[in-house]
Amino acid sequence: DTEVTQTPKHLVMGMTNKKSLKCEQHMGHRAMYWYKQKAKKPPELMFVYSYEKLSINESVPSRFSPECPNSSLLNLHLHALQPEDSALYLCASSQEIRLRGVGEKLFFGSGTQLSVL
Amino acid sequence: GENVEQHPSTLSVQEGDSAVIKCTYSDSASNYFPWYKQELGKGPQLIIDIRSNVGEKKDQRIAVTLNKTAKHFSLHITETQPEDSAVYFCAASIESGGSNYKLTFGKGTLLTVNP
Repeated sequence: DTEVTQTPKHLVMGMTNKKSLKCEQHMGHRAMYWYKQKAKKPPELMFVYSYEKLSINESVPSRFSPECPNSSLLNLHLHALQPEDSALYLCASSQEIRLRGVGEKLFFGSGTQLSVL
Repeated sequence: GENVEQHPSTLSVQEGDSAVIKCTYSDSASNYFPWYKQELGKGPQLIIDIRSNVGEKKDQRIAVTLNKTAKHFSLHITETQPEDSAVYFCAASIESGGSNYKLTFGKGTLLTVNP
């Protein structure tokens, strides 16, 4: 199984709503990532979890709250979002990020297309 | 931080022709260079990658070349097919914050293969 599964595929929410995005992988990867992608732009890194601990936060606003309940699951909790937060949210995983000098193959899910009204 | 430039932004070829996409990077410490293909409505999928100790890598119709001295790397697709039509992203990986690695993406190339 080389899949990263994201749910839901589409989400529409109001600015006062609270919602969560979910990501799951069963490849035994120990690093998981959230990326944000606007239309016709490259993915932008938001968060990295390594061994279930948050290791990188790219100065993301607190209305985005990541959570890694276990090594296979990654959530992104959303609260009080703005219309400009509308984007494709991508989850990714990689095998190991503690091998110095070795870059990582990232496996991406299909994303959640989020619209904030 | 790392900066990755990618050219061209759009590329249109006839089926059967070759396509070449070029990227340059700024940080000589970058050591891993993947290429991703993103089809409409899907996430990016890794198609080929190269590490800084290798000059060229090939996988069937796809090849990547790396010139560390000039800090540029290129994707070559031969015998293009309509299903190769997608957005292609190059990326460079650099160590960030200890043992973490961060990918910096180029802006992408929209490849259209005309039947």
